[in-house]
Amino acid sequence: KQEVTQIPAALSVPEGENLVLNCSFTDSAIYNLQWFRQDPGKGLTSLLLIQSSQREQTSGRLNASLDKSSGRSTLYIAASQPGDSATYLCALVYNQGGKLIFGQGTELSVKP
Amino acid sequence: DVKVTQSSRYLVKRTGEKVFLECVQDMDHENMFWYRQDPGLGLRLIYFSYDVKMKEKGDIPEGYSVSREKKERFSLILESASTNQTSMYLCASSFSRRGGTEAFFGQGTRLTVV
Repeated sequence: KQEVTQIPAALSVPEGENLVLNCSFTDSAIYNLQWFRQDPGKGLTSLLLIQSSQREQTSGRLNASLDKSSGRSTLYIAASQPGDSATYLCALVYNQGGKLIFGQGTELSVKP
Repeated sequence: DVKVTQSSRYLVKRTGEKVFLECVQDMDHENMFWYRQDPGLGLRLIYFSYDVKMKEKGDIPEGYSVSREKKERFSLILESASTNQTSMYLCASSFSRRGGTEAFFGQGTRLTVV
């Protein structure tokens, strides 16, 4: 059974730091990978989708990479801001049917 | 912008009631999903649908059913609500394309069963 692990579970950093969130998965079969942000009590906001044929995607201060051979993805946040404080979730996306399998998330706190 | 709309943000229901959670998307997506989210357990898939009138069980379908009569609407039904179904329920949708596509989520429904 596919398992998705996110490390660390929680992270607190001062404003302005660059940081990396990690996501690992047990099966190196071909999957897409999607990163989400969730604010407390709210739904999930899509940040980036990396298709299985790609190695990375960028959106503004965010950069996500995918290494299928090692079963890893990273989300890099540059110049962090207090508004980046949220829980970040990674999910494997099945090619057929689009089903998602989620990690437990990393709770990020950026201190002013 | 893709919009996935869940009918309620907050619901309080009594044990034994039949509960309907509604989800509507406006992007003509084929795939629709229902997840529940609980502290320490993360997001777990209840049911999903890849076409009208089609449904597939997810990881935790017990106590739930679904309905997809129209492409844009996917309903989650709690046949007889129980306190262990108190949770955050999240609906999502995506296109069905070879290679997979981006999934979009609704704002969530916080259900409390008393």
